[in-house]
Parts: sequence; C-alpha cells; structure tokens
Amino acid sequence: NAGVMQNPRHLVRRRGQEARLRCSPMKGHSHVYWYRQLPEEGLKFMVYLQKENIIDESGMPKERFSAEFPKEGPSILRIQQVVRGDSAAYFCASSPSTGSLNQPQHFGDGTRLSIL
Amino acid sequence: DQQVKQNSPSLSVQEGRISILNCDYTNSMFDYFLWYKKYPAEGPTFLISISSIKDKNEDGRFTVFLNKSAKHLSLHIVPSQPGDSAVYFCAASGNTGNQFYFGTGTSLTVIP
Repeated sequence: NAGVMQNPRHLVRRRGQEARLRCSPMKGHSHVYWYRQLPEEGLKFMVYLQKENIIDESGMPKERFSAEFPKEGPSILRIQQVVRGDSAAYFCASSPSTGSLNQPQHFGDGTRLSIL
Repeated sequence: DQQVKQNSPSLSVQEGRISILNCDYTNSMFDYFLWYKKYPAEGPTFLISISSIKDKNEDGRFTVFLNKSAKHLSLHIVPSQPGDSAVYFCAASGNTGNQFYFGTGTSLTVIP
C-alpha cells in the first residue's frame, strides 16, 4: 500500500494523558500536513512540515500540541495532557511539492481520538 | 473565520440525474481549488481540481466550474450513481500552497 499511512486508527485516552499520532507519507512525498476534523465541521489545517522542519504551524494550538517530522521515521503529532475537547478525527496528508505546481494533497484514513 | 463555505449540508438526487454541489469562498488570493470525496471512516480522496486560470475542468462524469468574479465553484456529477453517495468537500489554497482551506462538506445521497 503506497498511500498515506496513519496509526493508530483509533486511540482512546483519559484526560491528562498524552496522545501520539503517527503518519507515514506516500512514497516520494516529502511534505506532510496535519488536519483536525471536529464533529459536523470541515477539516481545519494544523501544521505543515518538511523533513526536520516545521514550515507553517499557524493552525496549531499554542499549548499542549506539537509536531515533528524527523529525518528518519514517520511524522508525529503529539498532544499532551489531553482534554475532552481534543476528541476529533486527525488526518494527515502528504504531497510531493507545493506552491505554483498546485499539487493535490493525498490523505490518510485518519486517527479517531476519543478522550474519556 | 470560514473562508470556504458549503451552504448545503445535504443533497439527494435520483440515480442517473445530475448532482450539483456548490461552494463559495471569500479570499480573492485563492488560486487553486479542489474537490474531495469522503466515505465514513476513511480519509478524503482527491477527486478533481481547477486552477484560477481556467473556468472549467472535466474528468469523466465530474466537471468543476469556477466563477472567479462571484467567488463560486461548483461540482457537477452526471449521471449520478449510487456509489457517488458520500460527503464532498471543496478546498482552496493560495499561491503559498501551505494549507488548504476546507468547506464543511455536503453529504450527497444518490437514490437508486
């Protein structure tokens, strides 16, 4: 399967715990994006990363949320001290390039995070 | 601040007829527009796109129309098939390409 791989598909955490969501981009893609979808809403951009660099984190909450895309391995979205409002579907997308080439982003199937 | 809006949360169409899904945007800097299709428990799947230099793009049963002066785009599906039943999101990006702005989606039901 050469698509965007996200794991786990479902994640349950208690309030105050940490959640770690993983994303492996499509083969040959070096750009990763994280989106969050709350119930009855569209996808909201969170962060855009290239290998070892955060390019745009304008959609990330200022506290408790962080993201990385190391030289080796998947991209990680980390949520510390989770609260009920963090319950959502988190989608990762990847693309080979951005800007004037106007490439569509390809999405994984998401991680559904539930906070008890 | 919803820069991309889909004002119809749902649409029902008879099989074989045309489905028209609408999308409006507010940011005149957007120059690339896409439609995604999403089934439950899956990620969005890219369907069709259009850049602002064009006003129409066609791919099989799917056609996207862009009206820049009205800041409006639409997706036409003809003929509609039951397998087209899904949630459709429109998305837009500016020339930085860093992020896509998504609408809230329209749930299409094609009735056999």
